[in-house]
Amino acid sequence: QQQVKQSPQSLIVQKGGISIINCAYENTAFDYFPWYQQFPGKGPALLIAIRPDVSEKKEGRFTISFNKSAKQFSLHIMDSQPGDSATYFCAAKGTSYDKVIFGPGTSLSVIP
Amino acid sequence: DAGVTQSPTHLIKTRGQQVTLRCSPKSGHDTVSWYQQALGQGPQFIFQYYEEEERQRGNFPDRFSGHQFPNYSSELNVNALLLGDSALYLCASSLGAIQETQYFGPGTRLLVL
Repeated sequence: QQQVKQSPQSLIVQKGGISIINCAYENTAFDYFPWYQQFPGKGPALLIAIRPDVSEKKEGRFTISFNKSAKQFSLHIMDSQPGDSATYFCAAKGTSYDKVIFGPGTSLSVIP
Repeated sequence: DAGVTQSPTHLIKTRGQQVTLRCSPKSGHDTVSWYQQALGQGPQFIFQYYEEEERQRGNFPDRFSGHQFPNYSSELNVNALLLGDSALYLCASSLGAIQETQYFGPGTRLLVL
């Protein structure tokens, strides 16, 4: 019940296209859902985050869509660029002092 | 403004040995969390230190221990190393024990032979 599932495992998108990564969770106590971006040789960096009382959050080319009833959330990267090529992790967290649970990651390659 | 720093960057040990990894949090942060990231997987929470005490712990054996110093820097110690301990060890810092806006360091790559 503490798991966060993520798909696809890998994704290849053409430059200018839309990248979509999906995540699902079981624990209804989760109330904070961040997305992290990780480049090779670097630690993960917080990209964007959402709470379940909001159905969508947009920051620049990155949008999180959240479906509380389905216990699913997704990351959309609009106008994908080669510089977006990285591994993306969805994550979830419960009450204030709870730990962050990461999904297994999606390796995104944006080809010119 | 220095971000989260970790040392060493790479480390090779043999089974049964002990290792100490170090982390300095981002300036102004007082909380350090440690994660283990196996190849091709997401980070897994090991434990969190706040006010020099272990506040939370993930599903890791007692071979994994840590410490936080008065300047908020932290160490991760792993005893009796196993081949399966080979991973990237990440340190993340935040302000306060709520792990929402946390900043990760580049990690220490540990290889156990």
